[in-house]
Amino acid sequence: GAVVSQHPSWVICKSGTSVKIECRSLDFQATTMFWYRQFPKQSLMLMATSNEGSKATYEQGVEKDKFLINHASLTLSTLTVTSAHPEDSSFYICSARAQQGEVGEAFFGQGTRLTVV
Amino acid sequence: TQLLEQSPQFLSIQEGENLTVYCNSSSVFSSLQWYRQEPGEGPVLLVTVVTGGEVKKLKRLTFQFGDARKDSSLHITAAQPGDTGLYLCAGAKGNMLTFGGGTRLMVKP
Repeated sequence: GAVVSQHPSWVICKSGTSVKIECRSLDFQATTMFWYRQFPKQSLMLMATSNEGSKATYEQGVEKDKFLINHASLTLSTLTVTSAHPEDSSFYICSARAQQGEVGEAFFGQGTRLTVV
Repeated sequence: TQLLEQSPQFLSIQEGENLTVYCNSSSVFSSLQWYRQEPGEGPVLLVTVVTGGEVKKLKRLTFQFGDARKDSSLHITAAQPGDTGLYLCAGAKGNMLTFGGGTRLMVKP
């Protein structure tokens, strides 16, 4: 299947600082990427849909000024957690929809474990 | 909002048992995917079903897409401890991909 690379795999940051997470589609172009947050032992919670060249669409309850999403190219989307606080600690996962292959397939990055201390 | 209900939420069985996970919705999807996720990793795509009534097999896993393309099931035969993980179904419609709540499976040796 298609490869999506997410970086970093884990990050520890101090409260009040900002953290940037990158999501790259390595062998296909993705006009749409998705960002999820996952709490322990729970399913994925969609945060926002990232569209190349336009503003991201945020889900209800997700602060767009806190979770900045940029999708500058067909292979890269970034999520920046601004002024991070301990409650932002979580597992963040991105996915990208492949344009080739069967309809609607999404491939996921490895996830980023964010710990805010 | 398109809802995709997945059941059961949790399942703990002994090695060798069979199990079925269900994914149901009132919406019609153009395709449906099943993923498996292990702790600390991203979900990995297992299969995509596209045609109503379609059945796909992946070793001991059998996936079925409902005739109306609103529901799907995952059946595992003779489960093994290596099958332990979080199973997620996701329905695709247009640009939207809706995930079920997940089924956490534990297979005890």
